[in-house]
Parts: sequence; C-alpha cells; structure tokens
Amino acid sequence: SAVISQKPSRDICQRGTSLTIQCQVDSQVTMMFWYRQQPGQSLTLIATANQGSEATYESGFVIDKFPISRPNLTFSTLTVSNMSPEDSSIYLCSVAWTGDYNEQFFGPGTRLTVL
Amino acid sequence: GQNIDQPTEMTATEGAIVQINCTYQTSGFNGLFWYQQHAGEAPTFLSYNVLDGLEEKGRFSSFLSRSKGYSYLLLKELQMKDSASYLCAALDSNYQLIWGAGTKLIIKP
Repeated sequence: SAVISQKPSRDICQRGTSLTIQCQVDSQVTMMFWYRQQPGQSLTLIATANQGSEATYESGFVIDKFPISRPNLTFSTLTVSNMSPEDSSIYLCSVAWTGDYNEQFFGPGTRLTVL
Repeated sequence: GQNIDQPTEMTATEGAIVQINCTYQTSGFNGLFWYQQHAGEAPTFLSYNVLDGLEEKGRFSSFLSRSKGYSYLLLKELQMKDSASYLCAALDSNYQLIWGAGTKLIIKP
C-alpha cells in the first residue's frame, strides 16, 4: 500500500495565475498519474508522470497548460497554468506499481476554485 | 471507442441488498475495478476482478463476465455509511484505467 499526501488541499485562485500542486508518496512507486474530477463527474486522466522524462499527456491536455515534474520515485508536481474558471476542479494524484495492477492508490485531492 | 456504462443513481433501504451494474467496452482487457468515493473525498479501492466469477469480501462482492463485458458490485446489509458514489473502471491493453461516470447510491432509513 501507499500513503499519499497532496499540497495544497484546496485553494482559491484568480484568473490568469498559476498553481502548483505537490504529490508526495511514502514509498517509491513506478507509476504516478494526475487526474481531474469536475463536480459530479468521473475521473479524467490528465497525464502519466514519468520519472526522469517528460510526462505522457492524454488527448485534450497539453504540457504548456499542465506542466508536470517528477524528479524522483516519490514526488511529483502538477502546475495548472494561466487558470480560468473552467479549471475549477478536484485534482488527484494516484500511484501504482508496474506489473501489479491490482490497485491504484489515490491522494486526498486538491480542490481548486478559479474566480 | 472505449466506454464504461453504469447507472447514474440508485436508491436502496438500510439493511437491504443492492446490485450496481457496469458494462464495458475497451481495447483489450486487464481487469475491472470498483472504487468507492464519498462526497468530497478521494476514491478508495474496493475490488479487482480479472477472472470470471464472483469475489466476496465481507459485505461487498464483485462479479465479472469477460465474455459479456459485464460486472456488478453487490452490497449486502446496507448501512447509511454506504451512501457514496461507486466507480467502475476497466484496465485496457495499455494498462490504462478507463473510468465510468460513477453510480451515486442513496441509502434511506
């Protein structure tokens, strides 16, 4: 299992600014993912954070808007850039281990409101 | 395309049994997950099925039929704390999770 923490837990931001969300895991993990969940909706995968290389983005998400870092096997950041009210959502970090897909663990989420 | 279907909302009575269905269409298949998500919280893992059949875990059971692209989550002896959204997700051939929109389960006394 894994214990995952995210910072900040919530924030209210102004349009046009950027926010960086941190995800810290208590053990080394192979795979780290960033999801977005808008109110009443299911999870949408933004990107897979790859250690030592660029993240792999899903259709509809681009690096300029959602730059991701993963400097080591226990930490990743997601930046939401040039924010607009449409970016208001819960952002979730999750982890899994290659070859062991029985479970994907989620962080507590970051609730972002853009005014 | 890839698709997960599950009912939007269900209502059940405390102490009763409820079955939440999920059908899936994915490019390849490496397993089916059920997650529970209380309002304002992150999803928590309930079950994983990759072989056909029923897996029982306390009050919760999960069933899979790969030939039918079908799964269900069975909740017995419902408690008020079971009020939550239940997310079905299928793991495709690229080991990517395809998520359903979730079923909001409302438990009434």
